[in-house]
Amino acid sequence: DVKVTQSSRYLVKRTGEKVFLECVQDMDHENMFWYRQDPGLGLRLIYFSYDVKMKEKGDIPEGYSVSREKKERFSLILESASTNQTSMYLCASTPRRNSPLHFGNGTRLTVT
Amino acid sequence: AQSVAQPEDQVNVAEGNPLTVKCTYSVSGNPYLFWYVQYPNRGLQFLLKYITGDNLVKGSYGFEAEFNKSQTSFHLKKPSALVSDSALYFCAVRDGNTGGFKTIFGAGTRLFVKA
Repeated sequence: DVKVTQSSRYLVKRTGEKVFLECVQDMDHENMFWYRQDPGLGLRLIYFSYDVKMKEKGDIPEGYSVSREKKERFSLILESASTNQTSMYLCASTPRRNSPLHFGNGTRLTVT
Repeated sequence: AQSVAQPEDQVNVAEGNPLTVKCTYSVSGNPYLFWYVQYPNRGLQFLLKYITGDNLVKGSYGFEAEFNKSQTSFHLKKPSALVSDSALYFCAVRDGNTGGFKTIFGAGTRLFVKA
């Protein structure tokens, strides 16, 4: 089974801090994604990556950046955390365009 | 641009009754359609997909979905609901023609199955 592991289940950070959310997948998938999930809004795509060092903006990239130095690892970076970035963050990966996404269990981030 | 609409925030059904969770989509190319389920404090789990072929697709846990091109719909169904089916359900679409992997999700529908 594909395993997508997000390093933290819960994080509490202060406004203005730089925050790193880490995601690792163990199935050699080329494609990785970061979503945020908010009640009533579903999942919104922040960034995705087709390959190492490749990245593309999703629908809500403002305030975020990403890093993909190795195929198995995709990091989401909040350059200066703000309270409106309090959310559930979900990482996912997929091998092919006609394959489903495999999700991690999520990181619930609270910015105070 | 791709979009997905799940018109119901919540669906209530009695155990043993059939259930339907509705989804409509918009995409410029051929749609790749997916249903996912989310249990509390967990990530999303894949249920089923439509890529091409038969309009009725079968998935995990007895769920099925019907692709209707003319109505641009992909409703999730189950003939007999279980209490354990209570969860949050998401419909998602990907444009099969553009060559990209961008997947857009609906807002989700919470299913309550009452014993």
